[in-house]
Amino acid sequence: GDSVTQMEGPVTLSEEAFLTINCTYTATGYPSLFWYVQYPGEGLQLLLKATKADDKGSNKGFEATYRKETTSFHLEKGSVQVSDSAVYFCASLNYGGSQGNLIFGKGTKLSVKP
Amino acid sequence: GAVVSQHPSRVICKSGTSVKIECRSLDFQATTMFWYRQFPKQSLMLMATSNEGSKATYEQGVEKDKFLINHASLTLSTLTVTSAHPEDSSFYICSAYRTGQETQYFGPGTRLLVL
Repeated sequence: GDSVTQMEGPVTLSEEAFLTINCTYTATGYPSLFWYVQYPGEGLQLLLKATKADDKGSNKGFEATYRKETTSFHLEKGSVQVSDSAVYFCASLNYGGSQGNLIFGKGTKLSVKP
Repeated sequence: GAVVSQHPSRVICKSGTSVKIECRSLDFQATTMFWYRQFPKQSLMLMATSNEGSKATYEQGVEKDKFLINHASLTLSTLTVTSAHPEDSSFYICSAYRTGQETQYFGPGTRLLVL
């Protein structure tokens, strides 16, 4: 079945450091891909998404490019801030399954130190 | 974006009582809503898919008689934890699927503590 694998954390960075969180997927079709962010004690917020190969999603300085050839959707940010400390989830949505059913990675906790 | 609310945000109840959690899509209609459970430091576990006007579809291992789901309108789904026990204590998160954007939007979550 479909699956999403993301790098395990926790990831600890200093402020203004470069961030990469790796995410790869397996799917029978061509899923849409998402990054969600969860701040402590809160639900998930959509950070960015891409719906087809070579699409780049971006938001709040974060970027991820849908790479069909490597089945990847790595999250990057050039300069992280303390306020970026959160758990980040990669997810795929394949229309072949139940409508709107997301497949989540296990989450990567990011801690940014001042 | 799209806004999904949950109520209550936090609830404490005694063992044996029932608790109802509401999930509302505030600015769009959602034919499909999802209920998740999240344990500390873990990913989300899909409990069930809630479809407006029909019975919910439960994931394997989730007791449908314990976790009652009702999706009576296009903007409201409810999860009722019946005869709650301490092991039901968890963070419950709902989401609503926005057709056209093909995206799930999540509520802020409800923290349930059963004493």
